[in-house]
Amino acid sequence: KAGVTQTPRYLIKTRGQQVTLSCSPISGHRSVSWYQQTPGQGLQFLFEYFSETQRNKGNFPGRFSGRQFSNSRSEMNVSTLELGDSALYLCASSLEGSLHQPQHFGDGTRLSIL
Amino acid sequence: SQQGEEDPQALSIQEGENATMNCSYKTSINNLQWYRQNSGRGLVHLILIRSNEREKHSGRLRVTLDTSKKSSSLLITASRAADTASYFCATDDRKGGSEKLVFGKGTKLTVNP
Repeated sequence: KAGVTQTPRYLIKTRGQQVTLSCSPISGHRSVSWYQQTPGQGLQFLFEYFSETQRNKGNFPGRFSGRQFSNSRSEMNVSTLELGDSALYLCASSLEGSLHQPQHFGDGTRLSIL
Repeated sequence: SQQGEEDPQALSIQEGENATMNCSYKTSINNLQWYRQNSGRGLVHLILIRSNEREKHSGRLRVTLDTSKKSSSLLITASRAADTASYFCATDDRKGGSEKLVFGKGTKLTVNP
């Protein structure tokens, strides 16, 4: 079974731009969660999508948004990029949801803001 | 908000030794999970332990959970150089109508050959 695939692996943007990251979950998994990982704040939950609906949301500003398609693939968008958005963005999938089942992570997208 | 906090922040041992990492959390939980992250990679799930369980084993890994002390420990026995990674605990958080996994800052384990 193929694992969670995130594209691209690396991305360099400048302040003010916007970016879209992609995540393909494990086949059959309906829940996709997104996390931001930085050295200072650690791993922080962004949001979770389940069956094309945002089910849970973390404490990030509205510049961070996402969506999920009918094939469970998910995209995350960040608008008006700031230097502090530089981070490793990880997505994770599970069958039904994150709290009761193991999460399967992709290798992330490393976003650098210049 | 940080729910789980790992201790120590960093640990360096020799191959063959045992490694113990601890996790403390603040509020009641339904389950606790441990993950491993190799440098530059995603997290890999190790063990999930439910609040009504006290101990769980998986190969060379042993996880304990003490809900009265709000703490968990991960023991890696007979460590190998390949165990070098960061280890995170994660707890379920159900506040403010939102459910999510909350991760600690992690323990960075170095196993020297």
